[in-house]
Amino acid sequence: GAGVSQSPSNKVTEKGKDVELRCDPISGHTALYWYRQSLGQGLEFLIYFQGNSAPDKSGLPSDRFSAERTGGSVSTLTIQRTQQEDSAVYLCASSRRDGRTYEQYFGPGTRLTVT
Amino acid sequence: DQQVKQNSPSLSVQEGRISILNCDYTNSMFDYFLWYKKYPAEGPTFLISISSIKDKNEDGRFTVFLNKSAKHLSLHIVPSQPGDSAVYFCAASALGNQFYFGTGTSLTVIP
Repeated sequence: GAGVSQSPSNKVTEKGKDVELRCDPISGHTALYWYRQSLGQGLEFLIYFQGNSAPDKSGLPSDRFSAERTGGSVSTLTIQRTQQEDSAVYLCASSRRDGRTYEQYFGPGTRLTVT
Repeated sequence: DQQVKQNSPSLSVQEGRISILNCDYTNSMFDYFLWYKKYPAEGPTFLISISSIKDKNEDGRFTVFLNKSAKHLSLHIVPSQPGDSAVYFCAASALGNQFYFGTGTSLTVIP
């Protein structure tokens, strides 16, 4: 069965450029999360989508970051005017959110390097 | 501020012995806790979870213990195997919305 997929797996970009990171969740999963992991740090929550509800954007570090989820499936995380501190591994996860099971299934991540 | 803390960045254990990974949290509203395992260049994979209504959950070689009064949870792996060598993250959530992750503990199981 297909798991969560993310593309690209690696992205090198120049400071000031915009980047788009894509996440394909597991089919039927209603919840989708974006995290980032900087070197030596834990996973930092960025944004959370649940069904048709308004997303929880409370983790986005600045207004340069935005995310969309189209048709309740694929999600795109966009970082505008990238800065060197944006360099990190960006992880996407999806979850069924049925009953009390909140287990998240993670993709392999996109490693973003801003030069 | 870090609401979930894993104070041991690394742990080494002999094969066959018990591995104990610890996690502390500060938010008393957290009601669901999970452990994830992560290999290099891969995303974390779910290992085991526990609800705040329980104090223990067991799945094969893995047991998670929750001490709500101390705001502490631990993951026991017994017997430890070389394939268990990975980074382990604990995570906590209130009502299953935003999840807070610790910084991880790198476990090395020595054959």
